[in-house]
Amino acid sequence: EVQLLESGGGLVQPGGSLRLSCAASGFTFSSYAMNWVRQAPGKGLEWVSGIRGSGDSTNYADSVKGRFTISRDNSKNTLYLQMNSLRAEDTAVYYCAKDFRNFPRAIDYWGQGTLVTVSS
Amino acid sequence: QSALTQPPSASGSPGQSVTISCTATSSDVGGYNYVSWYQQHPGKAPKVMIYEVNKRPSGVPDRFSGSKSGNTASLTVSGLQAEDEADYYCSSYAGSNNLVFGGGTKLTVL
Repeated sequence: EVQLLESGGGLVQPGGSLRLSCAASGFTFSSYAMNWVRQAPGKGLEWVSGIRGSGDSTNYADSVKGRFTISRDNSKNTLYLQMNSLRAEDTAVYYCAKDFRNFPRAIDYWGQGTLVTVSS
Repeated sequence: QSALTQPPSASGSPGQSVTISCTATSSDVGGYNYVSWYQQHPGKAPKVMIYEVNKRPSGVPDRFSGSKSGNTASLTVSGLQAEDEADYYCSSYAGSNNLVFGGGTKLTVL
């Protein structure tokens, strides 16, 4: 059974940093791309970033480019999202999401999400 | 980055069929066969209902079907049931290893 467990969310001040983690199990982690998707309170889904199974290719939404960094440790079956220069508009539930394929194409499994609140 | 446009709401009575559209502003949907549909109940994580335009994961009822014509993809829910009431999001591969989501459609079962 595929399981994705996010951690690291919380309250942070504007301009601050936070690192999210996602522990994966139930599948061959290195064989699949992984994504981060966020959902602001009462709003829709927004793709944030994706990374290939090998970790050698990363992509970002324009809204986070230059501030967020996605990475993965295939030896630990763990996905990360380093978030810097956080803004109020980054407040959202952040979902870790497994892709169907080795490169970002579509999501087949989602974690339960971790809430990030950016506020002073 | 491009966007996918969905109607904000849709509704139908139990047993009826309802179709939700997803229109791309550019060739995101039309150019690739990587359109997915997700169901999200309040307070829950999304769940994939359709992937690659018209494929259904195991465990998803065959009442859910997907299609695409040009730059518009569609999700049809037949034989509406009360538990189908949820938010539905389309998603597409947008090229260069980027994904894009639609704004979501709230489906109400009357």
